[in-house]
Amino acid sequence: DQQVKQNSPSLSVQEGRISILNCDYTNSMFDYFLWYKKYPAEGPTFLISISSIKDKNEDGRFTVFLNKSAKHLSLHIVPSQPGDSAVYFCAASARAGTALIFGKGTTLSVSS
Amino acid sequence: DGGITQSPKYLFRKEGQNVTLSCEQNLNHDAMYWYRQDPGQGLRLIYYSQIVNDFQKGDIAEGYSVSREKKESFPLTVTSAQKNPTAFYLCASSPWDSSYEQYFGPGTRLTVT
Repeated sequence: DQQVKQNSPSLSVQEGRISILNCDYTNSMFDYFLWYKKYPAEGPTFLISISSIKDKNEDGRFTVFLNKSAKHLSLHIVPSQPGDSAVYFCAASARAGTALIFGKGTTLSVSS
Repeated sequence: DGGITQSPKYLFRKEGQNVTLSCEQNLNHDAMYWYRQDPGQGLRLIYYSQIVNDFQKGDIAEGYSVSREKKESFPLTVTSAQKNPTAFYLCASSPWDSSYEQYFGPGTRLTVT
């Protein structure tokens, strides 16, 4: 059973608008959440993260929101740029130095 | 220039042969990991190591083996027992005791025919 779910396989957004990528999780033991960006045939690149003791973390155009009661997190990208087009993976962990549990990813396409 | 290197980028093997994928890091990270990605899927953990000469199985360790003789190196062997070895393999590392963030190498695409 999937512990981390990204229910939207794809998302299309116009340049300059907001992109919202969603992620749900089932395991209450997760205490840290991360977003990675990935291009085809390359390794994922760490984007932004959030601890379970926070509900928001912001880094430039990227903001991650965490709703623990709903077991839901989202990544907001504002404004979206064509270079943001990639696959975005949500990941979660219950302890540093152990496995990251990944969702299946959402492919973001930003058109100019 | 610090980072994680994986070689080769593309690897082709005949069914029934063992193959070893290389992963080296010069970030002085304690922990290293191997993940596998299949089309349309997220990354799944094969093995991880938090310290030299010690490693733990991940969710899909069957048909794989690893070693950790040096802090900077964590090679993965795909054995003939692995039923579906064709995949994109990713190595990662992290500073074990202080960080959840894992940093990934460029990956190796293995094709077995």
